[in-house]
Formats: sequence, structure tokens, C-alpha cells
Amino acid sequence: AQTVTQSQPEMSVQEAETVTLSCTYDTSESDYYLFWYKQPPSRQMILVIRQEAYKQQNATENRFSVNFQKAAKSFSLKISDSQLGDAAMYFCAYRSRRRGANSKLTFGKGITLSVRP
Amino acid sequence: ETGVTQSPTHLIKTRGQQVTLRCSSQSGHNTVSWYQQALGQGPQFIFQYYREEENGRGNFPPRFSGLQFPNYSSELNVNALELDDSALYLCASSPFGDSYEQYFGPGTRLTVT
Repeated sequence: AQTVTQSQPEMSVQEAETVTLSCTYDTSESDYYLFWYKQPPSRQMILVIRQEAYKQQNATENRFSVNFQKAAKSFSLKISDSQLGDAAMYFCAYRSRRRGANSKLTFGKGITLSVRP
Repeated sequence: ETGVTQSPTHLIKTRGQQVTLRCSSQSGHNTVSWYQQALGQGPQFIFQYYREEENGRGNFPPRFSGLQFPNYSSELNVNALELDDSALYLCASSPFGDSYEQYFGPGTRLTVT
């Protein structure tokens, strides 16, 4: 079974600064997706960024980028130029690409990010 | 194009009762997944439905059951409610296939007293 671990329960960043959120995972599979989701107080889970395990290049999406270390099973999210609207709970998630697997997401416990004005 | 909707928004039930939660998938999406998110935790996969059939189930007892209808909307039913069932229940829809993103609804907050 796959597991996702987010060991930092809370982090804080000054507006306009950069912050990195950590995530590690465990799997015996070689092909999978990793995701970062954002859940604001409105509760709607929003996809921030996706990484395919077979791609060596780290995914980027505007101010959001990841550092994917497959051998270390590490997947961190970097938020540059932090904005007040980035304050939310952030979840790291895993999805198998094994043939026949459903699209089940395995989530970490999440990290609460606060942004100081 | 409408997004994923869930009803009701909030619900309070008594231990031992039964509850039905509803989800309307995004237009064109034939796969629906349900997740339970306890307070301060990450979502846990309950089950997934594809073309009205269950397509995978997480570690939840049989009193958690579901349905998917021909229009791809879905229901989550929970019998014999327990206090630990208090949680946010999230529904996510997507087209079938591993390259597609799942779109989440706003959730139903269930409180069991």
C-alpha cells in the first residue's frame, strides 16, 4: 500500500517571500502521479500542480514549482512571491498508474500555510 | 460547464440513523469518487463508481454504500451512523482514465451526535 507523509503541520510565510512545503511518500510502484492540492476555508479542493513520475523535469505552474526526487521519494512544493490568497491547507497526494488501477488518491495529513501581510 | 455540486451543505444526525449524501458530477465526467475527511486530516478514499458499477473501495465497512445513476450523479449512503462518521464528505468527478484530473465538490459536513 502507498503512504504519503507530511510531517510539518503548520508553516508561516511573509507576503512576497518564498516557502517550501515538504512531502515524502512510500510506494513499490515505478509509475504514478504526485499532486499538490490546496483546500481554502471554503473547503473546495483545488489542484495546484501535478507531476508524472516518469518525467525527470520538475513541474512548474506560474508561482508554484515542485522538487521531485524519485529515488528519495520526496516531493516538495515551492511557492514563490507568496500572496495572501495562498493561505490554505495544502495536501500532497499520490495516484497509481498501474494497469487496471482506479484513480484513487492517497492523501497526506496536510499542512496549514498562513501568510503574514 | 457546471462544476461538481454536493448536497446538502451541512447535516446533523443522531447515532444509529441513516444518511444519504448526493453528488452531481461535472458535465461529461463518468467517474465519481467519494472521500471522507475527518477534522484536521487528509481525505480518505471510500469508493469510486464508473458507469454505475463500483470500481474500487477503500478500508470502509459495508455500512458505507453507494450508487451511481445513468446521468453519472452519485449517492453515498451510510447506515447505523457512529460518532466517528462525523466528517467532511467530498465527491470528485473525472472522465475515466489515469491522465485526467479529478474535480472536487465543496463537500457535505456531517455531524453525528
